[in-house]
Amino acid sequence: QQQVKQSPQSLIVQKGGISIINCAYENTAFDYFPWYQQFPGKGPALLIAIRPDVSEKKEGRFTISFNKSAKQFSLHIMDSQPGDSATYFCAAFLMNTGRRALTFGSGTRLQVQP
Amino acid sequence: KAGVTQTPRYLIKTRGQQVTLSCSPISGHRSVSWYQQTPGQGLQFLFEYFSETQRNKGNFPGRFSGRQFSNSRSEMNVSTLELGDSALYLCASSPGGEVTNEKLFFGSGTQLSVL
Repeated sequence: QQQVKQSPQSLIVQKGGISIINCAYENTAFDYFPWYQQFPGKGPALLIAIRPDVSEKKEGRFTISFNKSAKQFSLHIMDSQPGDSATYFCAAFLMNTGRRALTFGSGTRLQVQP
Repeated sequence: KAGVTQTPRYLIKTRGQQVTLSCSPISGHRSVSWYQQTPGQGLQFLFEYFSETQRNKGNFPGRFSGRQFSNSRSEMNVSTLELGDSALYLCASSPGGEVTNEKLFFGSGTQLSVL
């Protein structure tokens, strides 16, 4: 059972544009939602994360919007740059149990064209 | 601080063999988790170790096992390899402990090819 659905599968954005990646989750027990960035040949790296008691979190050009009632969250990359070209994964986490088992979305391959 | 180190970087094995992968977490981190990444199934959780004990396990067959040593280094073993075991195996570390810490730091992985 896929518990975190991610879309789109791939995304092409022009330099300076806004990249938007969406995720939806099923398990209402999830209580932490990180986004990871992965470059070819590297492991995923934590980009930004949000707790469900917050509707938005911004760090530099990266913003997470969170809609608890809809069980959806999204990543916005403002002023997208070619260096942002990577695969992005949303994830969900059960923090309260102390179990560090991330459930990942299927990934979005972002290409930012110069 | 050095990051998470995984060895070897690449492995080629044949069906039926077994393989052992190694992970050295960030110094001071006590929790080590393993994930399998494939193009078809994406990133899937294998298991997590904390203080030499398996604390959590994903939905993988018993052929997949792991262990953690007193210095927090971890190994995972896959026995009787199948073609479908070809994947990037990622190790992630975190400080661990009772206080939950969401920041997992991933290594670059071991790319396993089963022929």
